[in-house]
Amino acid sequence: DQQVKQNSPSLSVQEGRISILNCDYTNSMFDYFLWYKKYPAEGPTFLISISSIKDKNEDGRFTVFLNKSAKHLSLHIVPSQPGDSAVYFCAARGHGAGSYQLTFGKGTKLSVIP
Amino acid sequence: AAGVIQSPRHLIKEKRETATLKCYPIPRHDTVYWYQQGPGQDPQFLISFYEKMQSDKGSIPDRFSAQQFSDYHSELNMSSLELGDSALYFCASSFVNTEAFFGQGTRLTVV
Repeated sequence: DQQVKQNSPSLSVQEGRISILNCDYTNSMFDYFLWYKKYPAEGPTFLISISSIKDKNEDGRFTVFLNKSAKHLSLHIVPSQPGDSAVYFCAARGHGAGSYQLTFGKGTKLSVIP
Repeated sequence: AAGVIQSPRHLIKEKRETATLKCYPIPRHDTVYWYQQGPGQDPQFLISFYEKMQSDKGSIPDRFSAQQFSDYHSELNMSSLELGDSALYFCASSFVNTEAFFGQGTRLTVV
């Protein structure tokens, strides 16, 4: 059973516009959420994270929003750039000892069109 | 800045052979994770170590074992390799409860 779901396998956006990537989770024990960006044949690169005590975290062009009641988070990239084209993974982690594993979604492939 | 180092980057093995993948975490990170990513799949958690002790276990086959050594590097040992073990294997490290940083991965091909 997929505990972290990214329902859009792909997304195309024009350069300069906003990219919105969505993620839903089912495990209410998750309290820390991360977004990773991955290029082919490379390891995932950490982008931004958010703790469940917050509803928004911003870092430059990247903003993550968390709606805990809906068990939903989203990553906004604005403005989108061609170099942002990659697969974006949402990941979640539980709280407390023995909960260090990250559970990943299946990823969303973002294509930013020049 | 130092990153997570994995070796080798590429490995080709025959069925039923063994393979050892190595991971050198970011200095002062105390947690190491191993993930397996099959073609078109999301990364699947295998196992993690905190301060050289196994801290969590995921979908790691019994044919696989891992350990973290006194210098914090970790090795994933894979025996009786099967064609289905062909995948990208990622190691990540973190300082406990912070974000994990991933290595470039080892691409294992079993023929």
